[in-house]
Amino acid sequence: GQQLNQSPQSMFIQEGEDVSMNCTSSSIFNTWLWYKQDPGEGPVLLIALYKAGELTSNGRLTAQFGITRKDSFLNISASIPSDVGIYFCAGDGTSYGKLTFGQGTILTVHP
Amino acid sequence: DGGITQSPKYLFRKEGQNVTLSCEQNLNHDAMYWYRQDPGQGLRLIYYSQIVNDFQKGDIAEGYSVSREKKESFPLTVTSAQKNPTAFYLCATDSGVSPLHFGNGTRLTVT
Repeated sequence: GQQLNQSPQSMFIQEGEDVSMNCTSSSIFNTWLWYKQDPGEGPVLLIALYKAGELTSNGRLTAQFGITRKDSFLNISASIPSDVGIYFCAGDGTSYGKLTFGQGTILTVHP
Repeated sequence: DGGITQSPKYLFRKEGQNVTLSCEQNLNHDAMYWYRQDPGQGLRLIYYSQIVNDFQKGDIAEGYSVSREKKESFPLTVTSAQKNPTAFYLCATDSGVSPLHFGNGTRLTVT
């Protein structure tokens, strides 16, 4: 099946620093999604990308759908302590029906 | 999340017992999903249902069963045949035109 490789697996940063994480796929996706999960909670959608090359922002978050349709990145600018959590990329080849998820990036922000 | 209710939040069972996890939604979404989350492995699809009285196996269906008798409800039974049932279980829904929306999960511990 489709596989997503998400990196880095974990990041330890100081408050105020910028963060970048990315996902690559062995196959083409029609949609890229980025979710954040707080401890003990369900993932919450941050950004959805629907077109190759699309660059979308949501506050301090910016994500891009790669031109090749096989990759995506998420940037967080000026990190704050509440950015702590696990960030997942997810891709969908045909419909929303069966998303493929990356392994997640664990973000720790030191005050 | 107010739209999807998973209960209970924490569940403890002895090995060899079947256990049923509840998922109820008031979003009027047709499709419902069950994912399993283990540390460092992202989310893996167990079962999904796109319409009442119909459901399909996901990537790791062995040892699990589901039913979809009502649009609002998609319970998951973890059977004694599941060899490693301890995990965080997430229910999700979608309307077909919007990304997956997750519940807050049930943490199952089997000893």
